Amino acid sequence: NAGVMQNPRHLVRRRGQEARLRCSPMKGHSHVYWYRQLPEEGLKFMVYLQKENIIDESGMPKERFSAEFPKEGPSILRIQQVVRGDSAAYFCASSPIVAGLIYEQYFGPGTRLTVT
Amino acid sequence: AQKVTQAQTEISVVEKEDVTLDCVYETRDTTYYLFWYKQPPSGELVFLIRRNSFDEQNEISGRYSWNFQKSTSSFNFTITASQVVDSAVYFCALIQGGSEKLVFGKGMKLTVNP
Repeated sequence: NAGVMQNPRHLVRRRGQEARLRCSPMKGHSHVYWYRQLPEEGLKFMVYLQKENIIDESGMPKERFSAEFPKEGPSILRIQQVVRGDSAAYFCASSPIVAGLIYEQYFGPGTRLTVT
Repeated sequence: AQKVTQAQTEISVVEKEDVTLDCVYETRDTTYYLFWYKQPPSGELVFLIRRNSFDEQNEISGRYSWNFQKSTSSFNFTITASQVVDSAVYFCALIQGGSEKLVFGKGMKLTVNP
């Protein structure tokens, strides 16, 4: 059973470009979460999605950031007009949901975004 | 509000020593979930354990053990007979009832020297 897949593993963008980060959850998992790890801030929740729905985006910056999890295909975290402060490791996680219980989230290897 | 505090930022031990990583949490809910994750130098996050608030039973898995005490809002993690491969950053995390977002502590870097 393949784990959570993220690509690319490393992404370099110039200021002002767009960054697209992809995440495929584990087989059988219907919930996807995105987290950001900044050196001085630690790991922070960004957004939680189910297929075709954003459930909780309370951790997403209000501008330039968006996320989707379409019916088919991976979840995408999109950052428009990147700035140096967006340089970070972005982790995707997935979990199964059974009868509303909370299960552990399994993380992908992360995408390291560098903005030059 | 919910919060996870890992007071130790960095610990260095010699192989075969036992080491305990402290975690203190804050939450208003009576239903919550506690987690430990390991982040080795390669960077991925590895799930270690999940505990729900109704289960205070301590757990042992090989050289790892966890002590959950609601009275002190603590969920401490002990590594017995540490090994070099245990070198990593360890994160304690909390999910509050009704939410699904992990709230992480700042992490504790463990270095095990040969």
